[in-house]
Amino acid sequence: AQSVSQHNHHVILSEAASLELGCNYSYGGTVNLFWYVQYPGQHLQLLLKYFSGDPLVKGIKGFEAEFIKSKFSFNLRKPSVQWSDTAEYFCAVNSGNQGGKLIFGQGTELSVKP
Amino acid sequence: GAGVSQSPSNKVTEKGKDVELRCDPISGHTALYWYRQSLGQGLEFLIYFQGNSAPDKSGLPSDRFSAERTGGSVSTLTIQRTQQEDSAVYLCASSSRQASSYEQYFGPGTRLTVT
Repeated sequence: AQSVSQHNHHVILSEAASLELGCNYSYGGTVNLFWYVQYPGQHLQLLLKYFSGDPLVKGIKGFEAEFIKSKFSFNLRKPSVQWSDTAEYFCAVNSGNQGGKLIFGQGTELSVKP
Repeated sequence: GAGVSQSPSNKVTEKGKDVELRCDPISGHTALYWYRQSLGQGLEFLIYFQGNSAPDKSGLPSDRFSAERTGGSVSTLTIQRTQQEDSAVYLCASSSRQASSYEQYFGPGTRLTVT
């Protein structure tokens, strides 16, 4: 069965620090990969997605993620975080060519200190 | 345009009662998903509707849970004989099957509390 693992449950950073959130998935076939963000009191929003092509994908608000197939990983990065990046971040995967259910990781809560 | 809407935003019910949660997807989106978000379980898939195809019910936790989608648009998730472990935020999402990306757009959720 598919599964997604996010290694960090809670990350605390100071503004301007660099961010990397780990995500590994377990699935042998073609996958689509996503990072969603949930700001306090708001609903889930898509940050970025990977379906095919360039494994380095860029999303909104300066976020990027790199798909490394050999490591089954899709880590999220941002070179310099801001206080407004405080949120919960979810990695998710679904099977390619089906567009079906998303399997989510447990989420990583990011707190950025001003 | 309008996003995914859900109602009610909050629902408090007594154990053993039935509840209905409503989802209005983005107009024109053919795929509709239900998930729930709870402490300790994270975000879990419940059920998926795609056009006129049979729904994928593989995530429903018990036969007390059911969902329907009328006219290919609005969906209702019903929980019968609610239990305290059903307390969670129930999220609805929709996507356009025509898009190659299969991106899902989420609603604000319904917070269900079973007392």
